[in-house]
Amino acid sequence: DGGITQSPKYLFRKEGQNVTLSCEQNLNHDAMYWYRQDPGQGLRLIYYSQIVNDFQKGDIAEGYSVSREKKESFPLTVTSAQKNPTAFYLCASSMVGGRETQYFGPGTRLLVL
Amino acid sequence: AQTVTQSQPEMSVQEAETVTLSCTYDTSESDYYLFWYKQPPSRQMILVIRQEAYKQQNATENRFSVNFQKAAKSFSLKISDSQLGDAAMYFCAYERGYGGSQGNLIFGKGTKLSVKP
Repeated sequence: DGGITQSPKYLFRKEGQNVTLSCEQNLNHDAMYWYRQDPGQGLRLIYYSQIVNDFQKGDIAEGYSVSREKKESFPLTVTSAQKNPTAFYLCASSMVGGRETQYFGPGTRLLVL
Repeated sequence: AQTVTQSQPEMSVQEAETVTLSCTYDTSESDYYLFWYKQPPSRQMILVIRQEAYKQQNATENRFSVNFQKAAKSFSLKISDSQLGDAAMYFCAYERGYGGSQGNLIFGKGTKLSVKP
């Protein structure tokens, strides 16, 4: 089945620790995105990548980093610089960057211990 | 900067009835895209419907239709014959149609829809 997978489903972070959220897609999409969702809020864009080895900051990139070494993978690292990382993180992909519908993965819930 | 406003935090509808969710947006652009996404309790975002701003015809997808008023910057979602499975959070989203920020979705805060049996 084609789709987007995210792992883990739940992730716990200790103070000062970096953690990495996985996002993989087998839809052959060029563009991938990371969003953050806080309670009672809509989604906000963290980073996006329209092509391999290229990515751009979204509205709330501070404290996060990404890489795009393969077309199907777009991991997100939540660094210790992100002081309020507790949130629900959603990965999405689209055929190209812009003018195409974005399809979402099931999400990762990140909690701070 | 573009903004998206959903003025109804919660809505309720009787099963088999019709409900309309409101969305307004602010932009100075003429070319853009609008979306309604559904987020059920599983929290996975599911596309409901999409509208291109250059198209005057309102988009329709089975029981879901939109009322797109470009001059008023309004994009409401109508759900006909509501079903229990329609209960979810509904998010309105705006995407720029051109320029370097293509693909950036701007979301409203959502409307929680309850369906009563």
